[in-house]
Amino acid sequence: AQSVAQPEDQVNVAEGNPLTVKCTYSVSGNPYLFWYVQYPNRGLQFLLKYITGDNLVKGSYGFEAEFNKSQTSFHLKKPSALVSDSALYFCAVRDGPDSSYKLIFGSGTRLLVRP
Amino acid sequence: GAVVSQHPSWVICKSGTSVKIECRSLDFQATTMFWYRQFPKQSLMLMATSNEGSKATYEQGVEKDKFLINHASLTLSTLTVTSAHPEDSSFYICSANSPTSSYNEQFFGPGTRLTVL
Repeated sequence: AQSVAQPEDQVNVAEGNPLTVKCTYSVSGNPYLFWYVQYPNRGLQFLLKYITGDNLVKGSYGFEAEFNKSQTSFHLKKPSALVSDSALYFCAVRDGPDSSYKLIFGSGTRLLVRP
Repeated sequence: GAVVSQHPSWVICKSGTSVKIECRSLDFQATTMFWYRQFPKQSLMLMATSNEGSKATYEQGVEKDKFLINHASLTLSTLTVTSAHPEDSSFYICSANSPTSSYNEQFFGPGTRLTVL
């Protein structure tokens, strides 16, 4: 069965510093990995995805993620955090190659960027 | 493009009543829509997958007679919470797949907050 784990409930970082939000995955077959962000009382916004190709994936709002097959990780990163990045971040794995397959979400990591 | 709307954005109802939540893909046709629920400070839990014109596939532990899903067209799916109780209070989020190959991902609605008194 596919699954993702987000080991940190919360990540605190100062504005301007780099941030990392961790995600590890467990899949049978090819991994289809996603990052989403959720602001309070809102739905999820897509940040980026890894399907195939380059291990470093660049996404929205300056975020990027590195796919590491040997460590089965897909950590989300940003070189310089903004206060407005404070939100709830979800890593997800998709159960198949296209968008008709379901997503399995991690437990979420709350990012708090202090001024 | 690829916008998904939900209506209503919030609803308060009395215990024992039924509530219908709509999920629409505004500018694309979605062959598959997904319904999730999210409890405070928790992750999204998939409730069911619905395909246009066929019965929904429910996840284990989700009562299909309580959470009725109808996917009548390629742009509309509805979730009806029947005989709602306070424990059904939650944030319900839908998503729709975009079959356009350049996207190949799900797009999420803004969510509906249900409070059952």
